[in-house]
Amino acid sequence: NAGVTQTPKFQVLKTGQSMTLQCAQDMNHEYMSWYRQDPGMGLRLIHYSVGAGITDQGEVPNGYNVSRSTTEDFPLRLLSAAPSQTSVYFCASSYEGQLIEAFFGQGTRLTVV
Amino acid sequence: KNEVEQSPQNLTAQEGEFITINCSYSVGISALHWLQQHPGGGIVSLFMLSSGKKKHGRLIATINIQEKHSSLHITASHPRDSAVYICAVRAGTASKLTFGTGTRLQVTL
Repeated sequence: NAGVTQTPKFQVLKTGQSMTLQCAQDMNHEYMSWYRQDPGMGLRLIHYSVGAGITDQGEVPNGYNVSRSTTEDFPLRLLSAAPSQTSVYFCASSYEGQLIEAFFGQGTRLTVV
Repeated sequence: KNEVEQSPQNLTAQEGEFITINCSYSVGISALHWLQQHPGGGIVSLFMLSSGKKKHGRLIATINIQEKHSSLHITASHPRDSAVYICAVRAGTASKLTFGTGTRLQVTL
């Protein structure tokens, strides 16, 4: 049982490049989400999904796209990377609407130069 | 003002000390999470509380819904407890979390 698997762990991009951060969970969780973590700030929600085919914007969605074609996978796409997107990214999943713990991936440290 | 405030921001303790980290929130919640983040590592859920108190090993979490306040206690602290401890809250039945900025704990020998 792998839990939440997030890849890559580290990435360096040049300004303007695009990339996809992968997130997969094997717990059949409906709810999946992407956060970014910046120094001095709490984790901020980028996008989330409450089930396959359903996505919605969080607090800081600009510059990011998501899709949810399956229950297991929730990739985050950076369309044209900017230095302001340098951050640590976390994927998380849980059962929607149930008061249980959330499970987090190991994080991706992204640097945009 | 953040919806979730943690104190202190930084905490240094000697091994064996009793540690308290506080979390205050300004909105009505259905649950509160305490999370642990080790340097360079991922985030691990420690507790989820909707009322009262929970204990796991040397960790104890309490919540007072009326006062909108929760505390995380670590008894007999150890250097391996050094990490960032994060408080997060849920409102209603939605799974969305709002996070505090974390408390960085350093336990020295």
